Amino acid sequence: NAGVTQTPKFRVLKTGQSMTLLCAQDMNHEYMYWYRQDPGMGLRLIHYSVGEGTTAKGEVPDGYNVSRLKKQNFLLGLESAAPSQTSVYFCASSAGQGGSGNTIYFGEGSWLTVV
Amino acid sequence: GIQVEQSPPDLILQEGANSTLRCNFSDSVNNLQWFHQNPWGQLINLFYIPSGTKQNGRLSATTVATERYSLLYISSSQTTDSGVYFCAARGSGGYQKVTFGIGTKLQVIP
Repeated sequence: NAGVTQTPKFRVLKTGQSMTLLCAQDMNHEYMYWYRQDPGMGLRLIHYSVGEGTTAKGEVPDGYNVSRLKKQNFLLGLESAAPSQTSVYFCASSAGQGGSGNTIYFGEGSWLTVV
Repeated sequence: GIQVEQSPPDLILQEGANSTLRCNFSDSVNNLQWFHQNPWGQLINLFYIPSGTKQNGRLSATTVATERYSLLYISSSQTTDSGVYFCAARGSGGYQKVTFGIGTKLQVIP
């Protein structure tokens, strides 16, 4: 039972490079999320999706783009990486149908360093 | 949006001790969750508890929604309980994002 899977786990980028983080979930969840975690700041929502083909901005969307072409996948893109985007990125999903369906399940994280 | 505050920010416990972690939120919620992030970075959902009390082994949680706080109790702590505990809440009314507190860092020493 894979749950939420993120790739890659680790990546080093040069300033200005682009990359895509892939998130896949096998729980048939409607809602998917991308968070970033920085020391002393908890988790901050970058973008989220409430269903296939939908995306919406979170707290810190600048410099990122997302796509949800398939229900099971949620891609996070960095168009032109900056050192300020050095962080740990977490993908998450939830069923989104109220009650315990709001329970959020996280992937294992992707460590990104921009030099 | 909703504000989530956790206390204490840091906690050191002797193995076997009990502890209480607190989460205050600024508005009514329809979603309140507790997570544990272990020292390897993995985030595990502990409780979905927008109201009431739940128990799971040595852990239990209580949310008093009318007073806008939630408590996480850890009894007979073990070194494997070390890590960061996050509270996350979502306000009521339409779709609102889930907001995380900045966490309580717990260290359990043998």
